[in-house]
Amino acid sequence: DGGITQSPKYLFRKEGQNVTLSCEQNLNHDAMYWYRQDPGQGLRLIYYSQIVNDFQKGDIAEGYSVSREKKESFPLTVTSAQKNPTAFYLCASTIGQNTYNEQFFGPGTRLTVL
Amino acid sequence: DAKTTQPPSMDCAEGRAANLPCNHSTISGNEYVYWYRQIHSQGPQYIIHGLKNNETNEMASLIITEDRKSSTLILPHATLRDTAVYYCIVRVRDDKIIFGKGTRLHILP
Repeated sequence: DGGITQSPKYLFRKEGQNVTLSCEQNLNHDAMYWYRQDPGQGLRLIYYSQIVNDFQKGDIAEGYSVSREKKESFPLTVTSAQKNPTAFYLCASTIGQNTYNEQFFGPGTRLTVL
Repeated sequence: DAKTTQPPSMDCAEGRAANLPCNHSTISGNEYVYWYRQIHSQGPQYIIHGLKNNETNEMASLIITEDRKSSTLILPHATLRDTAVYYCIVRVRDDKIIFGKGTRLHILP
């Protein structure tokens, strides 16, 4: 089955540690996105990538980093510089540029920093 | 900032039509209206999108006013599984999707 996988579903880390969230898609989509969601809030864009080896900052990129070495993978690293890292993180993808096609979302990773 | 305004919550009786309004008074000519929904602790799910004409698919209908300043998402026969937060979004092609706070729809048995 085609889709987007995020692992793990729940993640716990100590304050001051970097942590990397996985996002993999087998939909052959060109564009991938990372969002953050806080309780009772909408989604906020962290980073997005339209093509391999290229990515752009979203609205709240500070304290995060990404890489896009392969089309199917777009890992997100939450660094110790992120002041409030505890949140629900969602990865999404779309077919590509010049399209009105919808985004497909993964199941999300809930990160808790202790 | 989100370009849409939605009521924070709504109730609907099971089996009835759920009509979710959205205001987008500053929408421009090349912006589409999209609807997504998010069931608790899951990723958002695409529902429908449109530009000017009304649209219908197996999940819902989208009614856009003639001046395009507002729209209504219609779930024709709501079930308990339709309980979710519904997001109305306007975007241009290739533009990033900006999610507001959405409408929390409660389906009442």
